[in-house]
Amino acid sequence: GQNIDQPTEMTATEGAIVQINCTYQTSGFNGLFWYQQHAGEAPTFLSYNVLDGLEEKGRFSSFLSRSKGYSYLLLKELQMKDSASYLCAVGSNYQLIWGAGTKLIIKP
Amino acid sequence: DAGVIQSPRHEVTEMGQEVTLRCKPISGHDYLFWYRQTMMRGLELLIYFNNNVPIDDSGMPEDRFSAKMPNASFSTLKIQPSEPRDSAVYFCASSSRLAGVGGTGELFFGEGSRLTVL
Repeated sequence: GQNIDQPTEMTATEGAIVQINCTYQTSGFNGLFWYQQHAGEAPTFLSYNVLDGLEEKGRFSSFLSRSKGYSYLLLKELQMKDSASYLCAVGSNYQLIWGAGTKLIIKP
Repeated sequence: DAGVIQSPRHEVTEMGQEVTLRCKPISGHDYLFWYRQTMMRGLELLIYFNNNVPIDDSGMPEDRFSAKMPNASFSTLKIQPSEPRDSAVYFCASSSRLAGVGGTGELFFGEGSRLTVL
C-alpha cells in the first residue's frame, strides 16, 4: 500500500526552530514535496527533494533519506506568518500521494 | 500570469441540485488536476487531464461526478445530483509536467471552491 505519516499538530515559539517529520511507504518514488497551506487558502509549493541530503532555501530546509523513507522540513527563525499546515507529498508513478498535513501553531 | 482561476469561490446549494465548478489553468500548462479537500480525508485527487484529455479519473467518487476540458483554457467539474457528503473545498491545479518528470512538477493551485450542500 501507499502511506504517508506526519504529525497532526505541532506548536512552536516565535523565533525558534521547528522540525516537521514525514515518513512514507510508496510503491514508486519520483521525489518528495513539501507544500504550505495557510488556513482558507490554497497549498503553495515549498520544496522538492529527489536525492538524499539537505536542500536549503532561506529559512526553510528540507531533508530526505530514501533508504529510511524519511523526510523533514526545518523552519528556522519562526515568524507568526509561518502558522499554517505543512503537507508532505510523495511522487509515486508520477502522481502525488499526499499526507494529511501538520498544523503548525506559532506562539509569541 | 494571473494564476489558476476558479469559480465560484463559494457555493451553497441544496441536496439534489446540480453544481458546476469552473477552472482556468495557467496558460501553457499541459496538466490540469481536480482535487477535493476535507478535514477527514485531506487532499484527494479526483481526475487529471493532459492536453485536454482525461488520463486518470479513478479518484472520481461515483457517477454523480463528471469533468470535462473542452479546450486548453477551461475545465469544469460537475456534480449531479449533489449530496451533503460532497461538501468540501474543491481545488483545481495546473502544472507544466508531472511530479518528478525532468523537474519538480510543481503544482499551482487555484484559490478553491468551497461547496456546502444542505
